[in-house]
Amino acid sequence: DADVTQTPRNRITKTGKRIMLECSQTKGHDRMYWYRQDPGLGLRLIYYSFDVKDINKGEISDGYSVSRQAQAKFSLSLESAIPNQTALYFCATSDKLVGYNEQFFGPGTRLTVL
Amino acid sequence: SQKIEQNSEALNIQEGKTATLTCNYTNYSPAYLQWYRQDPGRGPVFLLLIRENEKEKRKERLKVTFDTTLKQSLFHITASQPADSATYLCALAPGAGSYQLTFGKGTKLSVIP
Repeated sequence: DADVTQTPRNRITKTGKRIMLECSQTKGHDRMYWYRQDPGLGLRLIYYSFDVKDINKGEISDGYSVSRQAQAKFSLSLESAIPNQTALYFCATSDKLVGYNEQFFGPGTRLTVL
Repeated sequence: SQKIEQNSEALNIQEGKTATLTCNYTNYSPAYLQWYRQDPGRGPVFLLLIRENEKEKRKERLKVTFDTTLKQSLFHITASQPADSATYLCALAPGAGSYQLTFGKGTKLSVIP
């Protein structure tokens, strides 16, 4: 969905490096999410934010941190990357005015940690 | 523990037939259940939602059923086409008032011409 963008689209890094993945949206949604997707494990929620000052841990937050700099921007950081964080990362948004929480996903960032 | 299971990792079907995908869950009381489509290398795209008090929903060639007694949702694509080939994910909100979604691992559907 072009309304949700992620940068970079691909990244190769080394163990121990700090890395930031960025997400921007033009949908005007308050809610933003970070997921990772691994073969055989599906999509798993890392962190989510319902407003600029609201940050919540998801199912697998260890080793990650996030920053909600503005309504439209939500960044995911890996403080010290490790190989098992190699995965496809997705940002998503949803509209708090829509009760059933349909989520809109970005195109994904493929991260490889060597 | 809570589980969402999509019973097949992969499903092959002949063009023109009806594809039926299954999503089962345990230890949830979902307020609604959603289905998404994901193409290779892309983010999931929302298709349909069904609420706990609804039995069936339709959208063009798509139909979703929701049986809260069986704890199961079925997703049907009628008159399937090769363009329907993709991975289909079910997702549910764990309970009333929850705005997180938990996703199943997906079923990869291949429609053979």
